[in-house]
Amino acid sequence: DQQVKQNSPSLSVQEGRISILNCDYTNSMFDYFLWYKKYPAEGPTFLISISSIKDKNEDGRFTVFLNKSAKHLSLHIVPSQPGDSAVYFCAASFSGTYKYIFGTGTRLKVLA
Amino acid sequence: DTEVTQTPKHLVMGMTNKKSLKCEQHMGHRAMYWYKQKAKKPPELMFVYSYEKLSINESVPSRFSPECPNSSLLNLHLHALQPEDSALYLCASSQDAAGSSYNEQFFGPGTRLTVL
Repeated sequence: DQQVKQNSPSLSVQEGRISILNCDYTNSMFDYFLWYKKYPAEGPTFLISISSIKDKNEDGRFTVFLNKSAKHLSLHIVPSQPGDSAVYFCAASFSGTYKYIFGTGTRLKVLA
Repeated sequence: DTEVTQTPKHLVMGMTNKKSLKCEQHMGHRAMYWYKQKAKKPPELMFVYSYEKLSINESVPSRFSPECPNSSLLNLHLHALQPEDSALYLCASSQDAAGSSYNEQFFGPGTRLTVL
């Protein structure tokens, strides 16, 4: 049973526009969420995280929104740049534990 | 230093070979992880070391044997692997496995393993 889902396997966005990547989870006990970016042949790179006590966290061009009632989080990238083209994984965790549950990933392509 | 390094980048081995993957971090992190990632799939946790002790083994076959010689190093010893073990093996580290409230994991670039 996939506890963390990214229902869009791919997304194409024009350079300069907003990219919105979505992630849904089923376990309401998750209280810590992260987004990672992965280029081919490289390990995932941590982007941004959010705890369940917040509904928004911003870091530069990246903003993560958390809707606990809908068990949904999203990553907004504004403005999108060609270098943002990568696979994006969301992950969910219980605070104070070792284990991340990763989503299946969304391949973002930013078109110049 | 905010890097996790892994060697080798690529490894090709036969089913009777014995090889080792190495991982190193100098961020003072006390938790280290091995993940396996197959193509178009998310990373899957294999092992967690916390303070140099094996904390979690996610029911990994014994042909994979982890070792943590010190707080900066993590090895994965491979023996009698199968072709289906071919994958990207990722190492990660974090401040602590379970003691801190939140634990961002920092990943290395991975070792691309091919078993013939």
